[in-house]
Amino acid sequence: AQSVAQPEDQVNVAEGNPLTVKCTYSVSGNPYLFWYVQYPNRGLQFLLKYITGDNLVKGSYGFEAEFNKSQTSFHLKKPSALVSDSALYFCAVKSSGSGYSTLTFGKGTMLLVSP
Amino acid sequence: KAGVTQTPRYLIKTRGQQVTLSCSPISGHRSVSWYQQTPGQGLQFLFEYFSETQRNKGNFPGRFSGRQFSNSRSEMNVSTLELGDSALYLCASSLSLLAGTSYNEQFFGPGTRLTVL
Repeated sequence: AQSVAQPEDQVNVAEGNPLTVKCTYSVSGNPYLFWYVQYPNRGLQFLLKYITGDNLVKGSYGFEAEFNKSQTSFHLKKPSALVSDSALYFCAVKSSGSGYSTLTFGKGTMLLVSP
Repeated sequence: KAGVTQTPRYLIKTRGQQVTLSCSPISGHRSVSWYQQTPGQGLQFLFEYFSETQRNKGNFPGRFSGRQFSNSRSEMNVSTLELGDSALYLCASSLSLLAGTSYNEQFFGPGTRLTVL
């Protein structure tokens, strides 16, 4: 079975400071990893994905994520937070060897960026 | 390119009724997945369709069903509604989940907010 843990329900950061949203995963075999963001009353928007290759993945809106196989982590980062980054962030995982099975999502982390 | 559209956006039903939700994927996308989002359970996978065939199914009772049409549009139906079915139902489309050794991201619609009274 595959699973995702987002250990923080909420992350608070001041505008201009770096932010990190944590994600750890469990799959058999190699993982495919994703980050999505959800703004109020909206669906999820794709930010970035890791399939293979470089451990540092760059995505939309200045976000990046670092894949760490030994720690089974895929933390989302941004060097300088904006108030407009305030939203709900979801990490998702799938095993590369599980065929057409779909993603398993974490419970989400609310990011609040204060002015 | 138009995004994923879902209708209706909001729905209020009473216990015991049934409901049908509709999803139109991005043009050219053949995979459609449905998710239920609640504050307590987060995002839970309902089912995935590809070329009119249900390819995956989550752990939901048989009251939840779906189908996909030849134009890739999809509907999901919930019969005999229960209070616990109140949730945001999200539809997501993708070209095809698997693409060689890669895995395509899904594009989500805005959701249908279902309230069961």
